[in-house]
Amino acid sequence: AQSVTQLGSHVSVSEGALVLLRCNYSSSVPPYLFWYVQYPNQGLQLLLKYTSAATLVKGINDFEAEFKKSETSFHLTKPSAHMSDAAEYFCAVSKAAGNKLTFGGGTRVLVKP
Amino acid sequence: DTGVSQDPRHKITKRGQNVTFRCDPISEHNRLYWYRQTLGQGPEFLTYFQNEAQLEKSRLLSDRFSAERPKGSFSTLEIQRTEQGDSAMYLCASSLGDRLADTQYFGPGTRLTVL
Repeated sequence: AQSVTQLGSHVSVSEGALVLLRCNYSSSVPPYLFWYVQYPNQGLQLLLKYTSAATLVKGINDFEAEFKKSETSFHLTKPSAHMSDAAEYFCAVSKAAGNKLTFGGGTRVLVKP
Repeated sequence: DTGVSQDPRHKITKRGQNVTFRCDPISEHNRLYWYRQTLGQGPEFLTYFQNEAQLEKSRLLSDRFSAERPKGSFSTLEIQRTEQGDSAMYLCASSLGDRLADTQYFGPGTRLTVL
């Protein structure tokens, strides 16, 4: 069975500061990993995904994530937070192409001016 | 390119009533997924279709829940004899289903409140 753990249900950052959201996974097979963002009253939008190619994955809006197999982690970072980054972020794993996603509990990001 | 649409966006019902939600995926997407998201939690997988075939159902999907995708296009999710514990956001997603880790595109969701 697969599972995803997101450390920290809430993160507060100052505008312009580094954003770091942590995600650890467990999977019995090489996983596919995803980060989604959810703005209030909207559906989930894909930020980036890891598909066993490059371990450093770049996504939209200057987000990136690094797959570290030895640490079973897929942490999300952004060098400089913007007010528009305030949202909830979900890490997810699937074990096969087009298969169901297993999500973490989410991390809500608050950006302070 | 229109995205995934869901109808209604909000539904308030009384306990014991039946409700039905509709999802229209992105055209040409073969796979369609249903997830449920309760407050403060990540989405949980309910079921998915490859064209009109329902390929997997979660244990979360009790006998009161049924999903269909009759012509491989839109899908409906019906909940019979609703309970207060069914209150949640019901999310639909679709994907091409034919490539490596293809992206699932999510709709805005249907928020169900059972009184």
